[in-house]
Parts: sequence; structure tokens; C-alpha cells
Amino acid sequence: NAGVTQTPKFRVLKTGQSMTLLCAQDMNHEYMYWYRQDPGMGLRLIHYSVGEGTTAKGEVPDGYNVSRLKKQNFLLGLESAAPSQTSVYFCASSWLAGEVEQFFGPGTRLTVL
Amino acid sequence: DAKTTQPNSMESNEEEPVHLPCNHSTISGTDYIHWYRQLPSQGPEYVIHGLTSNVNNRMASLAIAEDRKSSTLILHRATLRDAAVYYCILRRGGGKLIFGQGTELSVKP
Repeated sequence: NAGVTQTPKFRVLKTGQSMTLLCAQDMNHEYMYWYRQDPGMGLRLIHYSVGEGTTAKGEVPDGYNVSRLKKQNFLLGLESAAPSQTSVYFCASSWLAGEVEQFFGPGTRLTVL
Repeated sequence: DAKTTQPNSMESNEEEPVHLPCNHSTISGTDYIHWYRQLPSQGPEYVIHGLTSNVNNRMASLAIAEDRKSSTLILHRATLRDAAVYYCILRRGGGKLIFGQGTELSVKP
């Protein structure tokens, strides 16, 4: 099993450009999450999904959109990138909510100039 | 969501036990205590979790105070590979993890 994979690993954007980050999991997990991590900080939840076709807002959703068209994929979109969105983005998945562990991907390092 | 307080950093010697403290004085009865760690340039990984009783697994032990207002993650024999940021997180239903700044553990050979 590959676990949770993220594409791309690195990306540099100019202000105003758009892009989509892809997260894929092969564990048949229902729940998927997108986090961002700024230097010296813990992770903050952007959006999450409790199943195919559903999404919900997390702590810091502004400027991002998400889609979960297939159970194994969770896409994070930036429609008009801003320098404040420079960060490392992590995707995670879990079987269910509650006290089960989340499995994290390796991260995508995004720089917005 | 209830908040946790951890020291910013701790040091340990290799092959010695490490006790990482966490205060969570506003914990509610349904909050689980989770620990994750993040090695340099990697995503977080699950370490252990518990509700009321002490827990052991292959990675670590979790000691929970009787009043549940604090807990301690115990690494029995620290190795250089255990150098990471350790996050103590209270988790209620819904699956959301709220990360704080964590404790950066350094391990000296």
C-alpha cells in the first residue's frame, strides 16, 4: 500500500495564479483532511470530507476550495494564489471520526511569489 | 475546543527514557488525548492515544493523571530517530485534530 500520496511535492506560483493539489489514499478511508503548516507552527485544518461527495470547512478555509468526487481522492484548489498561502500542505485520511488515527501524506511545499 | 500546553523544547540523551508533559486543564469527559509526532520534513505520524487509563504500544506509553488534567508521553529508550516535534492533542467527536505548537525533542548521542 502506498498509503497517502500527494502531488506535486513542490510548486512555485505567482500571485493570482491558480492550482490544484491532489491527495490520494489507497486504504479505503472515509474521512480525508487538508491541513496547512506555516514555519514554526502546528498544523491548521483547512477543509475536510466525511465521505465521497461531501466537504466541510475547517479552521482556515478562506481562499481554498475542495472536492471529493471519488472516495480515494481529495483535491485542494487555490483559485487566485496569494503570498499568504505560502505554506506546506498536508493531506490526511482516517477510517472514521473519533479516536482513530489519521494517516498523513508527505506534504506539498507551495511558494507564492 | 479544549487547549493543551506543552513545553516548547526538551533535550534527552540517547538510550535514556524521556517524559514529555502535557497540561489540559479544560479537558471534557469525552475528549480523547492523542499524541502525534512530526519528524523533520515529514508529515505527522500517530504515536498513541487514550481516554482515562494508561496505555502502552510498541512506540510509547501514555500516562494519564487521575483527574485527566495532564498527561505524559513516555519514550522508554530514546533513539536519534525519535528527534521530532511531539504534539499533544485533545480530540472530541468529528475526527478533527487541533494542533498546537508541540514540544521539539532533541536527542543527544
